[in-house]
Amino acid sequence: AQSVTQPDIHITVSEGASLELRCNYSYGATPYLFWYVQSPGQGLQLLLKYFSGDTLVQGIKGFEAEFKRSQSSFNLRKPSVHWSDAAEYFCAVYSGGYNKLIFGAGTRLAVHP
Amino acid sequence: EAGVTQSPTHLIKTRGQQATLRCSPISGHTSVYWYQQALGLGLQFLLWYDEGEERNRGNFPPRFSGRQFPNYSSELNVNALELEDSALYLCASSLGRADTDTQYFGPGTRLTVL
Repeated sequence: AQSVTQPDIHITVSEGASLELRCNYSYGATPYLFWYVQSPGQGLQLLLKYFSGDTLVQGIKGFEAEFKRSQSSFNLRKPSVHWSDAAEYFCAVYSGGYNKLIFGAGTRLAVHP
Repeated sequence: EAGVTQSPTHLIKTRGQQATLRCSPISGHTSVYWYQQALGLGLQFLLWYDEGEERNRGNFPPRFSGRQFPNYSSELNVNALELEDSALYLCASSLGRADTDTQYFGPGTRLTVL
């Protein structure tokens, strides 16, 4: 069955520090992968997506993610975190044929000044 | 360009009542999706509408239903509300139904069942 695992429920980093949020997926074919961000009380905003091609994808707000097929991972990174990055981050895999996204449980990011 | 819009922002109902949630997709988008984000259960796929037809539904009981109108806007109806239906309901839209058509989300409707 298709699934997404985000091993870290909560992460706290200092402002200016680097960030890596982990995501592992289970999918039989080549996956379409996404990272979304949700600020408190808000909907989901698309940060970036991977369909094919270059395994390092750039997104908005200075985020990037690397697709590693051998590790079934799609980790999200940012070199220098800003206080405004505090939010919940969701990794998702697209379930082809059903047109639905399967989400991980999310990682809540806190940023210390 | 306006994003996905949802109404109302908040909805409070009592157990047994019916709730109606509305969604307007991004202009030009024909597919609309509904997801439920309940505490402790994460984000779960509810329904997918495309070109006025229900194309797929998640593992939810039949009292969750909806429709898509000719202008591609959509309505989610939840009948016989139960306490566990309390959640944030997110609507998303995509350009079409191709695998590479990205889903863009609205701000959600917070449903509280008392």
